[in-house]
Amino acid sequence: GAVVSQHPSRVICKSGTSVKIECRSLDFQATTMFWYRQFPKQSLMLMATSNEGSKATYEQGVEKDKFLINHASLTLSTLTVTSAHPEDSSFYICSATQDSQQGRLGGYTFGSGTRLTVV
Amino acid sequence: DQQVKQNSPSLSVQEGRISILNCDYTNSMFDYFLWYKKYPAEGPTFLISISSIKDKNEDGRFTVFLNKSAKHLSLHIVPSQPGDSAVYFCAASGNQFYFGTGTSLTVIP
Repeated sequence: GAVVSQHPSRVICKSGTSVKIECRSLDFQATTMFWYRQFPKQSLMLMATSNEGSKATYEQGVEKDKFLINHASLTLSTLTVTSAHPEDSSFYICSATQDSQQGRLGGYTFGSGTRLTVV
Repeated sequence: DQQVKQNSPSLSVQEGRISILNCDYTNSMFDYFLWYKKYPAEGPTFLISISSIKDKNEDGRFTVFLNKSAKHLSLHIVPSQPGDSAVYFCAASGNQFYFGTGTSLTVIP
């Protein structure tokens, strides 16, 4: 089946530094990738949607200059948290699909997530 | 604003019995509902879904029921097995996916 690899699984960084999270589709071409964030005891919240070769579409309230998303190829999307602060500490997870309609019907494949801790 | 809610953070069930996981939503425009299963250190995987035009969908031991008037869906697992122990998320599809907060199911051998 479709596999999405997300790295790193855990990262601790100092306040003010930047962190890059990678999301790779291993056996399919991900035309669309999604980035979610989950705070403790809350649900997965969509941050942004990225289509290969175009700019990401950010959800309301998500700072695009802080959360830089790059989807330069059909198998790789990256999320860079710039100038991270403790309030950015969260669980970040990506998902990908080759077909948006199939994805909506359950065909999204999720990465395993990244636990970011900013100290 | 939480559009999809799972009010039970955890559930314990004896092996062989029925597990019932519940989910409520607020937006009547959602047209597709899904359940995902998540093991520790892994991403959520798709389990079963239901269209808003149906009230039941069955796949082996898993059945999802949809009550549109109550804006409520449930996932039934019969019989429950220890390998079913995981966190279950419900999700609703509208202009984007909206996820519940998850219910951690423990099936006791």
